[in-house]
Amino acid sequence: NAGVMQNPRHLVRRRGQEARLRCSPMKGHSHVYWYRQLPEEGLKFMVYLQKENIIDESGMPKERFSAEFPKEGPSILRIQQVVRGDSAAYFCASSPSRTEAFFGQGTRLTVV
Amino acid sequence: GIQVEQSPPDLILQEGANSTLRCNFSDSVNNLQWFHQNPWGQLINLFYIPSGTKQNGRLSATTVATERYSLLYISSSQTTDSGVYFCAVGSGGSNYKLTFGKGTLLTVNP
Repeated sequence: NAGVMQNPRHLVRRRGQEARLRCSPMKGHSHVYWYRQLPEEGLKFMVYLQKENIIDESGMPKERFSAEFPKEGPSILRIQQVVRGDSAAYFCASSPSRTEAFFGQGTRLTVV
Repeated sequence: GIQVEQSPPDLILQEGANSTLRCNFSDSVNNLQWFHQNPWGQLINLFYIPSGTKQNGRLSATTVATERYSLLYISSSQTTDSGVYFCAVGSGGSNYKLTFGKGTLLTVNP
């Protein structure tokens, strides 16, 4: 059973570009979560999605960030007009129910 | 929101030594997980343990929910155990929303 798959592993974007991070949950998992790890802030919850629905986006910055989990395909975290402060490791996790979450390897975003 | 404190912040061991990592939390929880972030940045699930005791090889964990703490035991440590160990908790109806501690940085020397 493959784990949570995230791609790309590393992403470099220039300021003002868009970043798209992809996450394929574990087989049989319909709950997806995104977390961000900033050097000085640690790991923070961003958003919780189920198929086609955003359940809780209380940790998402109000502007430039969006997430989706379509009926078909991976979950996408989209960051528009990236700035240097968006540089971080972004982790996706999945679970079969609202209990134990399994994390992917993360995407390291660098904004230059 | 709930506060999570981990101790010690840093720990240096010789290979073969045993250690205990602690996680204190400020409110009742119904979700608690331990993770190991290896030097390559991967987050590896160790235990899902909102209460009770579990063991997996050289690692074991105990959560005393009524006293609001959890312990992670590492026995006969190996250099591959190096990395950061995180405790993360969730509570109430939003227990899916994990609050992470700042972690314990473990270095195991050969």
